Amino acid sequence: DAGVTQSPTHLIKTRGQQVTLRCSPKSGHDTVSWYQQALGQGPQFIFQYYEEEERQRGNFPDRFSGHQFPNYSSELNVNALLLGDSALYLCASSFRLRDDEQFFGPGTRLTVL
Amino acid sequence: EDQVTQSPEALRLQEGESSSLNCSYTVSGLRGLFWYRQDPGKGPEFLFTLYSAGEEKEKERLKATLTKKESFLHITAPKPEDSATYLCAVQAMNTGFQKLVFGTGTRLLVSP
Repeated sequence: DAGVTQSPTHLIKTRGQQVTLRCSPKSGHDTVSWYQQALGQGPQFIFQYYEEEERQRGNFPDRFSGHQFPNYSSELNVNALLLGDSALYLCASSFRLRDDEQFFGPGTRLTVL
Repeated sequence: EDQVTQSPEALRLQEGESSSLNCSYTVSGLRGLFWYRQDPGKGPEFLFTLYSAGEEKEKERLKATLTKKESFLHITAPKPEDSATYLCAVQAMNTGFQKLVFGTGTRLLVSP
């Protein structure tokens, strides 16, 4: 049973560029959340997708956008990259009607130069 | 605003030396409190969920407890493989979906 998978593992971009990160949820899960974790900090909630719609959003600018596909996989897009966007981006999946466990993927390490 | 504070920031223990990590929280109605373990460069690994004051859960050398204002993660006779960052997170009752608010974590190092 595959857990949460994310791609790519690492990514290096320059300021002003755009990036797309991908996430496949754990089998049986229908909800995907994205978090940003800066070095030495706890994860910060970006947004959550359920039934292909953004359901909840944290304090992140509109440069951060996402999408959920019919197979429950998800993408995180970040436009006009800033140096401060360098972080570990984590995807977490869960089942909407049983939300006592959120399973995290290994993350994508984004470096903005 | 929901907030989570973890202490200490870092903790160094000798193998077999028991201790506790603290997680203080303020939330507008607690739906659940979560403990995760995170190894360097990896995603958080789920450990426990606690729902109400007085609840306790155990897993191997770890035991989590919950009061109305804080949670403790007790580590009994730790081993070097317990070295990791331990994250605490809360989920508020008033959120229709599953946003987690995390603390900054406690970095635990267990020396042989």
